[in-house]
Amino acid sequence: DAGITQSPRHKVTETGTPVTLRCHQTENHRYMYWYRQDPGHGLRLIHYSYGVKDTDKGEVSDGYSVSRSKTEDFLLTLESATSSQTSVYFCAISEGGAVTEAFFGQGTRLTVV
Amino acid sequence: KNQVEQSPQSLIILEGKNCTLQCNYTVSPFSNLRWYKQDTGRGPVSLTIMTFSENTKSNGRYTATLDADTKQSSLHITASQLSDSASYICVVSAGYGNNRLAFGKGNQVVVIP
Repeated sequence: DAGITQSPRHKVTETGTPVTLRCHQTENHRYMYWYRQDPGHGLRLIHYSYGVKDTDKGEVSDGYSVSRSKTEDFLLTLESATSSQTSVYFCAISEGGAVTEAFFGQGTRLTVV
Repeated sequence: KNQVEQSPQSLIILEGKNCTLQCNYTVSPFSNLRWYKQDTGRGPVSLTIMTFSENTKSNGRYTATLDADTKQSSLHITASQLSDSASYICVVSAGYGNNRLAFGKGNQVVVIP
């Protein structure tokens, strides 16, 4: 899986609690992304990073924040988890360039009860 | 709004048979089109990437075609194997890099012996 590790792989949490998901890469790629995948939807971009401390919002960023203090780590935080954030979360990485392949992690299944 | 529509939503095929999956898109501007394979419980894995100047690309038993004029793509699987059982996702890039990817919902393929 292209040197991408997501942790945890599974998590159950209660509504209103903060949750942090971690993505770690060993490829030294500049770009990192967080997506969510839900039934009936294609993957949707939450946030992405184009360098250390450089991040930007995707199409479904409400309720999420991210941080990237090192090239290899990209954290996704749900500040106060809601049931609508129950989903499978995927991290992806890519190098720069106009046509550059995106490599995905194995996913984190998050259930908010 | 950028959209990617895939058909059929799901299909069952006999091992050894061929099948073709369809993707129609309304994405602008168009940069490139990708096909990914996603096994159950795993992250998507890239099969092909095509720019507007390419109309066919192969990866083993997988052959993708692109008609940029009609905004259609297909993925042909030859001599299917049980390991081809997966979701196949069409992804269209609307610009530079990977922060403007529009994902289809996937074609679910089940190969039976």
